[in-house]
Amino acid sequence: QKEVEQDPGPLSVPEGAIVSLNCTYSNSAFQYFMWYRQYSRKGPELLMYTYSSGNKEDGRFTAQVDKSSKYISLFIRDSQPSDSATYLCAMTGFNAGNNRKLIWGLGTSLAVNP
Amino acid sequence: GAGVSQSPSNKVTEKGKDVELRCDPISGHTALYWYRQSLGQGLEFLIYFQGNSAPDKSGLPSDRFSAERTGGSVSTLTIQRTQQEDSAVYLCASSSPTSWQETQYFGPGTRLLVL
Repeated sequence: QKEVEQDPGPLSVPEGAIVSLNCTYSNSAFQYFMWYRQYSRKGPELLMYTYSSGNKEDGRFTAQVDKSSKYISLFIRDSQPSDSATYLCAMTGFNAGNNRKLIWGLGTSLAVNP
Repeated sequence: GAGVSQSPSNKVTEKGKDVELRCDPISGHTALYWYRQSLGQGLEFLIYFQGNSAPDKSGLPSDRFSAERTGGSVSTLTIQRTQQEDSAVYLCASSSPTSWQETQYFGPGTRLLVL
């Protein structure tokens, strides 16, 4: 079992729809949770990060963490064609050498159709 | 300010040749990461530098892969005797040592195609 599971999609929605992207994880020691967005032929860029359970809102984006269920979500309201990208979840863990490192989901490909 | 830059942006090589990929991190970022991204495979961690040392090389897939970092800045990823399965996008990222949430800033990547 991978430490982080993320459905790769693809997910296709009409413009204006509410999008829900999700990741599950197995390691209860994970502390920080991040969402990165990657446009085609670009590197990933940080979209949002959260530390504790609960919601964090930034414009049309809401990140949600449920540590008890080991489940994180990213919601996009009023989705736009410019939101079409791959969304990767990432979380902070430790490797065998006790070095902190990011553990990545596979990424979900999202297409928002005009 | 300037972001992470990588060169070349694209590289086509023949099987068996060596390639060098370069990464220029954000100034002041002491942590530097190399990843490989293949279609459907997600981000595959290769190696992590803190300053010039590499405390985590666990992701390098074989001894054909090596990386170095000099002056706490520029890093080079070298692939010797390239194979077709090495074809992928190679991404570099850097981060600040004070960034507890490990925000990593990525370059645009080098697209490597081994024929």
